[in-house]
Amino acid sequence: DAKTTQPPSMDCAEGRAANLPCNHPTISGNEYVYWYRQIHSQGPQYIIHGLKNNETNEMASLIITEDRKSSTLILPHATLRDTAVYYCIVRVWGGATNKLIFGTGTLLAVQP
Amino acid sequence: DAGVIQSPRHEVTEMGQEVTLRCKPISGHNSLFWYRQTMMRGLELLIYFNNNVPIDDSGMPEDRFSAKMPNASFSTLKIQPSEPRDSAVYFCASSLQDNNEQFFGPGTRLTVL
Repeated sequence: DAKTTQPPSMDCAEGRAANLPCNHPTISGNEYVYWYRQIHSQGPQYIIHGLKNNETNEMASLIITEDRKSSTLILPHATLRDTAVYYCIVRVWGGATNKLIFGTGTLLAVQP
Repeated sequence: DAGVIQSPRHEVTEMGQEVTLRCKPISGHNSLFWYRQTMMRGLELLIYFNNNVPIDDSGMPEDRFSAKMPNASFSTLKIQPSEPRDSAVYFCASSLQDNNEQFFGPGTRLTVL
């Protein structure tokens, strides 16, 4: 059962920042927030993850609120190739179980 | 590295036939996952292995589905007999056991007529 809620779809203009929200009101103290995306007809692709501090890598930034009940994935300069379904997932790092539960995600459409 | 390799990429078969999907994980990865994706149910985890041992098969829909991992570099997902409702894209993914970044293969699109 997915522990996150995301808007079903969003639009963004090419070259602008895309801000994708995610709510996870029941997140536990040892659960991380992960983001994956799936471009049409491809397998999902890992983007970023974080626990409580904001994180940034070459693909995106992850902003987690202080109470950790919500987060935002930021694509700083969206391109047409960023059009995809973006999944926000919460789960414990490592441990005996190593599985991800995908919800329905947000379809981001980057417009030219 | 070639990434996760799946074969075949497309499979069309008739109801009642046996279907075998194959996966080669990334070298050095010790966790392997099989997912199924449909429009109705989204992306579902079927089974995963750690060090070639099945850890959680609670997502396997029924006895017609079976998965094996005879060694660290190969896994199969078998459906026997196949049914039209098994039509879906089947993804294989691999990761390091203590690293939750999963790398997905390109998928196998299965159509059962």
